[in-house]
Amino acid sequence: GAGVSQSPRYKVAKRGQDVALRCDPISGHVSLFWYQQALGQGPEFLTYFQNEAQLDKSGLPSDRFFAERPEGSVSTLKIQRTQQEDSAVYLCASSRRGSANEKLFFGSGTQLSVL
Amino acid sequence: AQKVTQAQTEISVVEKEDVTLDCVYETRDTTYYLFWYKQPPSGELVFLIRRNSFDEQNEISGRYSWNFQKSTSSFNFTITASQVVDSAVYFCALSEMNRDDKIIFGKGTRLHILP
Repeated sequence: GAGVSQSPRYKVAKRGQDVALRCDPISGHVSLFWYQQALGQGPEFLTYFQNEAQLDKSGLPSDRFFAERPEGSVSTLKIQRTQQEDSAVYLCASSRRGSANEKLFFGSGTQLSVL
Repeated sequence: AQKVTQAQTEISVVEKEDVTLDCVYETRDTTYYLFWYKQPPSGELVFLIRRNSFDEQNEISGRYSWNFQKSTSSFNFTITASQVVDSAVYFCALSEMNRDDKIIFGKGTRLHILP
């Protein structure tokens, strides 16, 4: 595709519900990143994939968060048993090569609201 | 440890005025990259510039210019003759050469350009 696509754009979940957020990166991009952006804050790193390999998941806040990229393209961020503190915008980004040291292309994000 | 500080939370200027957004960074690495991203109301972060730590030459791109000073660990961004379309949140970010899996963002500066 022309850019990084994320869906859904908005998600409202009841506390305790599981959610799945999708990211479709730019075709051929090796690296994929997930960031969490709380209101009024900068993006915070969650996890990083190089092709299908998850090389860094140190930013995932708890074991309720799980990400995958099984075929090295589309990625899904899953949050189990959502809590109110999970409310944030979840941003996906991709880059052409295997590094965050180059230009990142971001999607518009999924705004998650947990009630 | 990596850290990016954007002390200005919010700035308002009248259209056509010049405005400078400050960014101060901390890193122990000698090789690193600095970035500026723009986040318009649509949500996706848009890449503006990347500089590596060995290139202190200032850069100008149209109305945008960047001043990189290693002596003060600063990477400031100036918009000349601001326009209403420049209204957005601007993020300064840092990545280290030996940690190519993540970028650390500042908290951002919200810029309002008043007509």
